[in-house]
Amino acid sequence: GAGVSQSPSNKVTEKGKDVELRCDPISGHTALYWYRQSLGQGLEFLIYFQGNSAPDKSGLPSDRFSAERTGGSVSTLTIQRTQQEDSAVYLCASSLDTGFYEQYFGPGTRLTVT
Amino acid sequence: AQSVTQLGSHVSVSEGALVLLRCNYSSSVPPYLFWYVQYPNQGLQLLLKYTTGATLVKGINGFEAEFKKSETSFHLTKPSAHMSDAAEYFCAVSLSGSARQLTFGSGTQLTVLP
Repeated sequence: GAGVSQSPSNKVTEKGKDVELRCDPISGHTALYWYRQSLGQGLEFLIYFQGNSAPDKSGLPSDRFSAERTGGSVSTLTIQRTQQEDSAVYLCASSLDTGFYEQYFGPGTRLTVT
Repeated sequence: AQSVTQLGSHVSVSEGALVLLRCNYSSSVPPYLFWYVQYPNQGLQLLLKYTTGATLVKGINGFEAEFKKSETSFHLTKPSAHMSDAAEYFCAVSLSGSARQLTFGSGTQLTVLP
């Protein structure tokens, strides 16, 4: 079946602009995660959605970052007023909310802020 | 809070030789443990996982890992390296009993020499 998809695969933006990154999870997966992978910080958790519960935003680095998940499926990560330190690969993952929580990762969006 | 330490950011082995990638964790509760592999410009793929039960777990591509509670370790091994094993490997931990984010180690880049 189809895996986790992310778009765009690459995004180049100017400092100060807003960007939106999209994630389509595996159908039927109720949990969705965003991570950031950067040279300096490695793989970091950003935010987690589980069903209709309030998201766990504990990993968001600043209030310029936000995310939403519509209809329990597609998620959008928004970065406002981008800074050069936001340059990274943003990875999305999804998992079933039953039993063991194996996360399936998408290919990522590479964001470059110039 | 949990954390993961991967000893050796770069490991080189000859084709056919034993692969050993080290992972130690700290967790205040029994952890779930994972190894993921990342090929260039791709997302993360699950190699294997430990939740409960048998402490020696087998994964894809001939990899296995052993959970040693007394040593707080979850080292990844493969008896005979193949050129296609060259990739970056990440050890990760999550808290048992709930769907929560993964905490990753800093990764180990595996090079396989002909």
